[in-house]
Amino acid sequence: GDSVTQMEGPVTLSEEAFLTINCTYTATGYPSLFWYVQYPGEGLQLLLKATKADDKGSNKGFEATYRKETTSFHLEKGSVQVSDSAVYFCALSPTTDSWGKLQFGAGTQVVVTP
Amino acid sequence: EPEVTQTPSHQVTQMGQEVILRCVPISNHLYFYWYRQILGQKVEFLVSFYNNEISEKSEIFDDQFSVERPDGSNFTLKIRSTKLEDSAMYFCASKVVGANTGELFFGEGSRLTVL
Repeated sequence: GDSVTQMEGPVTLSEEAFLTINCTYTATGYPSLFWYVQYPGEGLQLLLKATKADDKGSNKGFEATYRKETTSFHLEKGSVQVSDSAVYFCALSPTTDSWGKLQFGAGTQVVVTP
Repeated sequence: EPEVTQTPSHQVTQMGQEVILRCVPISNHLYFYWYRQILGQKVEFLVSFYNNEISEKSEIFDDQFSVERPDGSNFTLKIRSTKLEDSAMYFCASKVVGANTGELFFGEGSRLTVL
C-alpha cells in the first residue's frame, strides 16, 4: 500500500540555519504530495504541495520538489526563524482518490533556537 | 480567516463509556473527515463524509465508530464504547467542493484519554 517515510526528529537548529527534512514515498501511479505544518496549539495547515513530477511547491520560504526518480519530496528552507518551530508532516494523496484521503508520515518536530 | 473548530479540546473518559467529539467545519465546505493520531504514531485517516453519507472509511473505523451531521453546521464522531487504545488526538478536517487535490483544512484536535 501507499506509505510516507520522513526523518525522525526532533531537529534542533539555530536561527538562520538551513533546514532539510527528508521525505520519501511509496505509491502506485502518480500521487499528489504535500507538506503540512502544525504550530504549537494549532491544527495542521497546508504548507505547500506538488501534483506532478518535477513540480516545486513553495510557501513562506519553504520549498520542496517532487522527484519521481527518487520518490522523494524533501522540505528545505534556507534560513529558519524561531517562528518556524513546529511539527512538519509529509503526506500524499493517491491520484485516483478524489475524497482527500491523505497518507501521512510520522511528523518531524523542528525546534529553532535564538 | 475561516477555521475548523473542535470541541472538547481534551476529554478524559472511562473505558466502556460513549464519547462524542464535535466539529464545526468551514461554512462553505461540503467534504468532511476525521483523522486520529495515537501518541508517537502517524496521523491516520478514519473516515470521509459527503452528501450526508460516509464516502470512505478505514479499517480502524469499525462498528464502534459513527459519524453524523445532525444539523447544517456540526459534524460529530461518536465512539460507542471506548477502549484504552482509542486514546489519541482526533482531528476533524473539511474541504471545499471540487478540491480533489487533498487541500484539507484541519481543526486543532480533540485529545481523548481513555482510562
